[in-house]
Amino acid sequence: QKEVEQDPGPLSVPEGAIVSLNCTYSNSAFQYFMWYRQYSRKGPELLMYTYSSGNKEDGRFTAQVDKSSKYISLFIRDSQPSDSATYLCAMNGANFGNEKLTFGTGTRLTIIP
Amino acid sequence: NAGVMQNPRHLVRRRGQEARLRCSPMKGHSHVYWYRQLPEEGLKFMVYLQKENIIDESGMPKERFSAEFPKEGPSILRIQQVVRGDSAAYFCASSPPRSYEQYFGPGTRLTVT
Repeated sequence: QKEVEQDPGPLSVPEGAIVSLNCTYSNSAFQYFMWYRQYSRKGPELLMYTYSSGNKEDGRFTAQVDKSSKYISLFIRDSQPSDSATYLCAMNGANFGNEKLTFGTGTRLTIIP
Repeated sequence: NAGVMQNPRHLVRRRGQEARLRCSPMKGHSHVYWYRQLPEEGLKFMVYLQKENIIDESGMPKERFSAEFPKEGPSILRIQQVVRGDSAAYFCASSPPRSYEQYFGPGTRLTVT
């Protein structure tokens, strides 16, 4: 079993829709949770990060962590064609940062104009 | 502030040759991580370095792969006697001390013919 599971998609939604992306994990030591966006043939770009359980909002993006269920989500409101990319969840268990990240396989998202 | 820089962006090697991938972290970042991304797979951790020290190499193949981050100059990931299975995108990330945020470079795409 992989430590982090992510539905690879592809996921296609119309412009303006709310997008929900999800990951589950098995390692209860994970405490820091991140979402990266990766455009084709580019490096991953850090979008959101959260510590432990709870919600965090940044513009059109909301990251949600439920440690009791080992489940994290990223919501994108008012989706735009420019949001079309692969979204990667990542996590680690560092107490003081500076530790390797464990990634999901990524979900490929297409926003249809 | 320049981001993480990697070169070359594309590298073609024949089987048996050596590949050297370079990474210059963001200014002020003293921690470097290397990840590998195979087609249709997520990023896999390889090695974590600080200046002149390897902190975690649990993801590095036991043979042919080595990494360094000297006191002066970029971090280097070296692959000796490359094989076709080494063809992948190699990403470098950097972070400042005591931080869980990792910022990625554009990657080096290695093709072994």
